Amino acid sequence: SYVLTQPPSVSVAPGKTARITCGGNNIGSKSVHWYQQKPGQAPVLVIYYDSDRPSGIPERFSGSNSGNTATLTISRVEAGDEADYYCQVWDSSSDHQLVFGTGTKVTVL
Amino acid sequence: QVQLVQSGAEVKKPGSSVKVSCKASGGTFSSYAISWVRQAPGQGLEWMGGIIPIFGTANYAQKFQGRVTITADESTSTAYMELSSLRSEDTAVYYCARLDCSSTSCYSPYWGQGTLVTVSS
Repeated sequence: SYVLTQPPSVSVAPGKTARITCGGNNIGSKSVHWYQQKPGQAPVLVIYYDSDRPSGIPERFSGSNSGNTATLTISRVEAGDEADYYCQVWDSSSDHQLVFGTGTKVTVL
Repeated sequence: QVQLVQSGAEVKKPGSSVKVSCKASGGTFSSYAISWVRQAPGQGLEWMGGIIPIFGTANYAQKFQGRVTITADESTSTAYMELSSLRSEDTAVYYCARLDCSSTSCYSPYWGQGTLVTVSS
């Protein structure tokens, strides 16, 4: 089945830019979606179809996808952005299933 | 606005079964896929399976084939996930999520609040 790999952790100072990568074989040919999850809460969609933002998500969140890597970028990081982030694709090649990345813990210094 | 409300926390013995419900409100229940995703303590998100209520046929992750059953009751806009032969490793928070899909991809803008299932003797 399809595998998505993320760095376990990313640390960033307030006001700086955080970049979270999601690696997968030819992931650029798929649509990538991103979720933010804070402790004790359900995941929240922050980016869909590579770079679209749901209503209510700040413009500071952006996404890109090309080749073997998709990237979630958080600009002007705030303390409230500290959370786990997961990428996700839809794998239609086997069982038509959601595939999640391994997750990245973003720590705001 | 779509809301998914799940049943409460459960404590189960090893070898038993658990059935978690997910009641949807707002939007059209039957036409959208509902997926179940679990998260073990300190771990990531794991897709278990899903169903499109109007079709009634579920598909499951290979890992859970034979142990999980996902159903939907259109009359009450409620989806269910039943997991059998429980073991300690099944201790997790179980989420339902409604999918939005195109011809090429699906994602989950709506999630239930999660149901903690604890398996312990």
